[in-house]
Amino acid sequence: GAGVSQTPSNKVTEKGKYVELRCDPISGHTALYWYRQSLGQGPEFLIYFQGTGAADDSGLPNDRFFAVRPEGSVSTLKIQRTERGDSAVYLCASSRDANTEAFFGQGTRLTVV
Amino acid sequence: GENVEQHPSTLSVQEGDSAVIKCTYSDSASNYFPWYKQELGKRPQLIIDIRSNVGEKKDQRIAVTLNKTAKHFSLHITETQPEDSAVYFCAASDSWGKLQFGAGTQVVVTP
Repeated sequence: GAGVSQTPSNKVTEKGKYVELRCDPISGHTALYWYRQSLGQGPEFLIYFQGTGAADDSGLPNDRFFAVRPEGSVSTLKIQRTERGDSAVYLCASSRDANTEAFFGQGTRLTVV
Repeated sequence: GENVEQHPSTLSVQEGDSAVIKCTYSDSASNYFPWYKQELGKRPQLIIDIRSNVGEKKDQRIAVTLNKTAKHFSLHITETQPEDSAVYFCAASDSWGKLQFGAGTQVVVTP
């Protein structure tokens, strides 16, 4: 597609539920990143994929968070047993390769009630 | 890990004046420094970037300077216009491309 696409744009879930957030990067981009942005703050790194493998998952806050990119294109961020503190905008970005311009998706606003 | 600090947190300027935002970073291995503009409810968009082998880069009304020795870099916007009002983020990354963002600067340009 023309840009990075994220679905859904908004997600409201109950505390304790499981959610999946999807990112469709720009075609041909090998690098894919997930960030989390809370209100009034800068994006916070979660995980980075180069191709199908997670090259750096040091930003995942705990083992409730997991992400996959099985075919080196679409990625899914999975959050188990959601907590109210998980509420934020989850941003995905892709770049042609590491350390080149990263293009962001419009984000998924997750609200845990 | 990398730590990026950004100042000021808010900046009000009169239309036509210049705006300067400053960032410092901690990891000497960082070699790529992009600046993003984010309007309310929108995605961050790259406005300019600089690599560690360059000291200054300019694109029309926007310029970025980098001082590797001091580990700081700055964004300069000249002849500000109301449409420049937004939150601006600096970031730093190493060769892997993982971006560490500053906390952001809310820029308000008043006519």
